[in-house]
Amino acid sequence: GESVGLHLPTLSVQEGDNSIINCAYSNSASDYFIWYKQESGKGPQFIIDIRSNMDKRQGQRVTVLLNKTVKHLSLQIAATQPGDSAVYFCAGHESGGYQKVTFGTGTKLQVIP
Amino acid sequence: EAQVTQNPRYLITVTGKKLTVTCSQNMNHEYMSWYRQDPGLGLRQIYYSMNVEVTDKGDVPEGYKVSRKEKRNFPLILESPSPNQTSLYFCASSSRTVNTEAFFGQGTRLTVV
Repeated sequence: GESVGLHLPTLSVQEGDNSIINCAYSNSASDYFIWYKQESGKGPQFIIDIRSNMDKRQGQRVTVLLNKTVKHLSLQIAATQPGDSAVYFCAGHESGGYQKVTFGTGTKLQVIP
Repeated sequence: EAQVTQNPRYLITVTGKKLTVTCSQNMNHEYMSWYRQDPGLGLRQIYYSMNVEVTDKGDVPEGYKVSRKEKRNFPLILESPSPNQTSLYFCASSSRTVNTEAFFGQGTRLTVV
């Protein structure tokens, strides 16, 4: 069945370095993707999104890259800070109608001071 | 403040005792969903609703019921809880505008003994 999954369950990064979190998806019907950040004890929060007609989108300190050919997207966090420590999820939305959403299993980002 | 509110935040119950987890949103969103989050499995959709009186099954609906009598509320009902329903539950809402981010509640940690 369809799936959206993450390559690495845990990523440790030195404070100040850049972080890259990867996500693979299998559903070709997914045409809209969102990265969420989930801090301990809280619900997921929106970070950045990208539509399938784009291959790159930048936000504040974050960049999402989408490669539709290999069904892969990544989240890049520049100058990682302790406050970035959290679990990051990618989510794929199917086109048309209500967006059936499939979430990845999550990557835990640990920032080392 | 725009928010999704779940209650209770924590609940310990016994097998077979019916319970309801409430969810309310103040953003006038059409779409609402329930997810459960389990270690290693990420967020899995239980049920979703496209509008009042319109609900549909997600990926893991067994053992759950929902209702959408009012736009702002989307309660999750466990008629006869079992230990395998011990999990962290999230309610989310989003706008009917195609492809938008979901706003999540703070979560309800349910333990069934």
